[in-house]
Formats: sequence, C-alpha cells, structure tokens
Amino acid sequence: DTGVSQNPRHKITKRGQNVTFRCDPISEHNRLYWYRQTLGQGPEFLTYFQNEAQLEKSRLLSDRFSAERPKGSFSTLEIQRTEQGDSAMYLCASTGETGVTQYFGPGTRLLVL
Amino acid sequence: GENVEQHPSTLSVQEGDSAVIKCTYSDSASNYFPWYKQELGKGPQLIIDIRSNVGEKKDQRIAVTLNKTAKHFSLHITETQPEDSAVYFCAASISWGSNQGGKLIFGQGTELSVKP
Repeated sequence: DTGVSQNPRHKITKRGQNVTFRCDPISEHNRLYWYRQTLGQGPEFLTYFQNEAQLEKSRLLSDRFSAERPKGSFSTLEIQRTEQGDSAMYLCASTGETGVTQYFGPGTRLLVL
Repeated sequence: GENVEQHPSTLSVQEGDSAVIKCTYSDSASNYFPWYKQELGKGPQLIIDIRSNVGEKKDQRIAVTLNKTAKHFSLHITETQPEDSAVYFCAASISWGSNQGGKLIFGQGTELSVKP
C-alpha cells in the first residue's frame, strides 16, 4: 500500500503530557497538510509544508503545537502540555507539486484525559 | 476567509433512490471543489472533484455540478446502495493557477443513510 500512513492510530494521554504524531506522505509528494477533525465536524486546516518549508499555519495552531518536516519526506506534529480540548482526530494529507488532489491518511485519534 | 456551508446535515434515503447534498462557498477566488466520503474510523476518501472551469462532472453513479455565479455546488448520487452510507464532506480551495498552497476548507458534513 503506497497511501498516506499515520502513526500511531490511537493515542490516550493525560492532560499536561506531550504527544507526537507522525505522517508519511505518498512517495514524492512534496506538499503535506495537517488537519484536525472534532466529532461531527469537517476537518479544519492546521498547517502545510512544501518540501521542508512550513508555508502556512492556521490560527488554530497555538504555540503548544509544532510541526516539522525536516527532510521534506515524513512530518511530525507535536502537542505540548495537552489539554482536553485537544482531543480530536489529527489527519494528514499529501499532494504532488502539480496536482491538487489531497490524499488523506487514516488519522491519529487523540484522547486527552 | 473562505467559509463553506453544507446541507443537509443528515439524509436518509431508500436503496435505489437518489441523494443530493448541497454546498455554498463564500470566496469567489476558490477554484477547486472536491467531495470526500468518510467511513467510521477512517480518513476522508476523495470520490469526485470539479474545477471552476467546468460546470458538471460525472463518474458512474456520482455527479457534481457547480454554479460559480451563485457559488453553489452539489453532489448527486443515483441508484443509492447501502454501501453508500457514510459521512460526505464538500470542500473548497484555491488550488491551481496560484501559489496559495491549496488548503481545503470543509463543510460540516452530511451523514447519509441508505436503507435496504
């Protein structure tokens, strides 16, 4: 399977802990997007990378959130000092340089207790 | 910024009937409109998309129409089957012909239930 992969698929943590998620895009896709989806809502844009450059960040991405894509391949999303309001599905998507279709991974479901 | 409204929030149809989901968008610069299907516990899966230079696109039982003047676009599913039951999301973006990155702005979703 050469689709977008995300790990872990599920994460349960206690409030105040740090968590890190990983996204592996489709091979050679140079654009990578992070979205957050809460129950009963559509995904909301968080940030996107073109290669290793983080080109846009949403206002939703507070200073407790940081995303990286160090070599322009996989990306990580870290949440520091988690809060219960961070509980959501975190989705990653990728697309090629000349394409517009965003292919989504299965998501990481975070539950903050 | 862009805002996308989607209706209805839930839709129940009998197997074999047609289903229509409607979306409106606010930013006239949006030029790409995908539709995604999301099953429980899974990521969104693209089912069809349309660019602003086209008014209609069809793929087997699925069709999408776009009215740029009214800023409306709709998803039409004919001959619905139980396996069509899922949550459907519309989205809008400025994805081509510019360097604006193509972030998707999603509607709130429609839960479609197809009863056998």
